[in-house]
Order: sequence, then C-alpha cells, then structure tokens
Amino acid sequence: DGGITQSPKYLFRKEGQNVTLSCEQNLNHDAMYWYRQDPGQGLRLIYYSQIVNDFQKGDIAEGYSVSREKKESFPLTVTSAQKNPTAFYLCASSRTSGNSYEQYFGPGTRLTVT
Amino acid sequence: GNSVTQMEGPVTLSEEAFLTINCTYTATGYPSLFWYVQYPGEGLQLLLKATKADDKGSNKGFEATYRKETTSFHLEKGSVQVSDSAVYFCALPDNTDKLIFGTGTRLQVFP
Repeated sequence: DGGITQSPKYLFRKEGQNVTLSCEQNLNHDAMYWYRQDPGQGLRLIYYSQIVNDFQKGDIAEGYSVSREKKESFPLTVTSAQKNPTAFYLCASSRTSGNSYEQYFGPGTRLTVT
Repeated sequence: GNSVTQMEGPVTLSEEAFLTINCTYTATGYPSLFWYVQYPGEGLQLLLKATKADDKGSNKGFEATYRKETTSFHLEKGSVQVSDSAVYFCALPDNTDKLIFGTGTRLQVFP
C-alpha cells in the first residue's frame, strides 16, 4: 500500500541531545512537509521541500534542520537549540503538478524531551 | 494572501444530532478547498475536497459545498456518531504548494 511512514511513534530524549525523526513516502510525491502540533493547537509548518536537494524554511524553522537527499525521504532533526521541543510532529507529502495540492499525512511522532 | 477561518470548538453534540462546522476563506481565484480529520493520537486524513466553485465534496456522510458567493465551505453531517469525535481542519492552498490550515475544531459526540 502506498503511504507515509513515520518512526518511531513515541520518542524520548534528554534535554541537550539532538534527535532525528524519520519520514518516508512511497507515493512518488515531489513535495514533503514537516509540521509541529502542540496540545489543542493547529499545525505549524517547520520546513518543506518541493524537490530533491532543496528545501525552504516554514514559519517555525529555528532549532530544526532537514535534508532531502532522496525523493522518498525527508528526515527532521530537532537540535538542542530548539527551546521547547516536546510536541507531536507530522510529516506530509503532495504532488506538485496540477492544482489540487492535497497533502497526505503520516501517523506522527510524539517527541518528549525531559 | 489566502487565509481560512473556522469556528472555535469544542462542539459538543449528542449522537444522531446534526453537525455544522463553519469555515470561511479569503482567496485569490478559486482554489481547491479541503476538510481534514484528525482522530486522537493520529495524523490528519483527508475527509473531503472540492476543486471548483459550487462543487460538493462528500465522504462518510459528511458534506461541504464550495460557495463562492459567501466564500464558505461549511462541513455538515446529518446524524453524527460517537466515532466522529475528532478534530476537523479546513484548508486551502496558498500561492505555492503549501496548504493553509484553520486552527481546527474539536467535535465531541456523546451517546
């Protein structure tokens, strides 16, 4: 089945450690996105990539980094510079042709930093 | 730029009640409009969409009509179930490939 996988579902880290969240898609989509969701809140865009080897900052990129070396993969690193990293992280992908812009989401990773 | 506004929640209903969640938008042209649903602890799933004015999107008993006159895309369901309890997001694209999401409306359905 085609879709987006995120691993792990739950992640625990100590403060001061960098941590990398995985996102893989087999939908052959060009564009990929990372969102952050805090309890009771909407989605905030961290980074997005419309093509391999290129990515742009979203609304809250500080303290995060990404890479896009393969079309299928868009890992997110939460660095120790991120002041409040505990949150639910969602990855999404979409086609860039046509005008639908429909995004498909992964199941999310809940990160807890103590 | 494009924007979307949806009603604040929570919306609390008894099973079999009628549901309306309001969504209005501001946009250049007539972009596609979307409703996404997020069940507890999960990612977002596309619930329905409409790609042009006057289109009606429907899925799982939910409906929304793309109304350009009122710039609205309200979500409706005639008879909600406990299993419909979730957070619902209205969305539309901006001028690039990004989606703009509303703040989400939590629906709680009680038996």
